[in-house]
Amino acid sequence: AQKVTQAQTEISVVEKEDVTLDCVYETRDTTYYLFWYKQPPSGELVFLIRRNSFDEQNEISGRYSWNFQKSTSSFNFTITASQVVDSAVYFCAKASGSARQLTFGSGTQLTVLP
Amino acid sequence: GAGVSQSPSNKVTEKGKDVELRCDPISGHTALYWYRQSLGQGLEFLIYFQGNSAPDKSGLPSDRFSAERTGGSVSTLTIQRTQQEDSAVYLCASSLLIMEGTGGNTIYFGEGSWLTVV
Repeated sequence: AQKVTQAQTEISVVEKEDVTLDCVYETRDTTYYLFWYKQPPSGELVFLIRRNSFDEQNEISGRYSWNFQKSTSSFNFTITASQVVDSAVYFCAKASGSARQLTFGSGTQLTVLP
Repeated sequence: GAGVSQSPSNKVTEKGKDVELRCDPISGHTALYWYRQSLGQGLEFLIYFQGNSAPDKSGLPSDRFSAERTGGSVSTLTIQRTQQEDSAVYLCASSLLIMEGTGGNTIYFGEGSWLTVV
């Protein structure tokens, strides 16, 4: 199976600190897609970003930014100036070319303390 | 509503009973997925429906699990003779038509059905 690894099980930061969540994936696909989802305590998986394997441009959306490094098979997620509302479990996921099935990492529990 | 809707939100059932979980996808989404989230196993793919094509059932853990999708919209996941290890959150998701090489499609999830088997 082509794994997605999120080595950080739990991270705690103090509000306004920057935090980076790591994601490393395995793939034999030429075309694939990478995702980040946020799961707040309510349980719903909230879509954050989708990145195509042929587009290595990094992306910034407000306080969120993503660093896609194909050479190291990593797709890391940085939250700048973290806020208490950012506290959640964050999942990295990968899909093959047809994006039929997502393979999820085990998630990183982020706690932002006031 | 605009999102993926699932019912019931919570279900407690006795071991050995059958349960049905319902999913109403986002309007216009032709692809529908079921995933399961449990403490020991993380997020696991169960089954996938796309239009009139045969479903991909490769993730179903046993023959006690089945799912159907009527009229290309609402889906029901059925677990027969429930066991305690079936206790988990069952997440439904939907997306637009999946087409190779078009950049994939974003998959949107519902809030899940929390199943507890006692």
